[in-house]
Amino acid sequence: KAGVTQTPRYLIKTRGQQVTLSCSPISGHRSVSWYQQTPGQGLQFLFEYFSETQRNKGNFPGRFSGRQFSNSRSEMNVSTLELGDSALYLCASSLVSREYNEQFFGPGTRLTVL
Amino acid sequence: GESVGLHLPTLSVQEGDNSIINCAYSNSASDYFIWYKQESGKGPQFIIDIRSNMDKRQGQRVTVLLNKTVKHLSLQIAATQPGDSAVYFCAENGVRQLTFGSGTQLTVLP
Repeated sequence: KAGVTQTPRYLIKTRGQQVTLSCSPISGHRSVSWYQQTPGQGLQFLFEYFSETQRNKGNFPGRFSGRQFSNSRSEMNVSTLELGDSALYLCASSLVSREYNEQFFGPGTRLTVL
Repeated sequence: GESVGLHLPTLSVQEGDNSIINCAYSNSASDYFIWYKQESGKGPQFIIDIRSNMDKRQGQRVTVLLNKTVKHLSLQIAATQPGDSAVYFCAENGVRQLTFGSGTQLTVLP
């Protein structure tokens, strides 16, 4: 069974631009979560989607948004990029949206904002 | 607010020795923890989990200990191998999200 895939793997943008990252969960998984990883803040939860609905959201500004499609694939968008948005963005999928449910991570998208 | 943290940012051990990575948490209501391993260029990988109704759980070469009294958990890796070199995170699996500690970089020396 294929794992979680994320595209693109690397991305370079300039301040003020916007970016869209994509995540394909493991087949059969319906929950997709997004995390931001930076050296200073570590791994921080962005949001979780299940059945095309955002179920939970972390403490990030409205510039960060996401969506999930009927096939469970998810995208996240960051508008008006800032230097501080440079990070590794990780997607994780799980079977369902509830506690005690193992999340499987993708390799991440490395975003660099210049 | 509630947090999950790790004691040491780095740990170096000799190949073949046992490794112990520690983690503290502040929320006494936390009841499910997971240890993840993250190798360079990869996403976190599940190692082992433990629920609050247990104080010890063993996997293949790994053991997690949970001390609810002092809100502390540890990951023990037996006979550490070069392939164990990675960053290790403890995470609290809350309602639909994971809260991660800051991570410990484990380096295995030859």
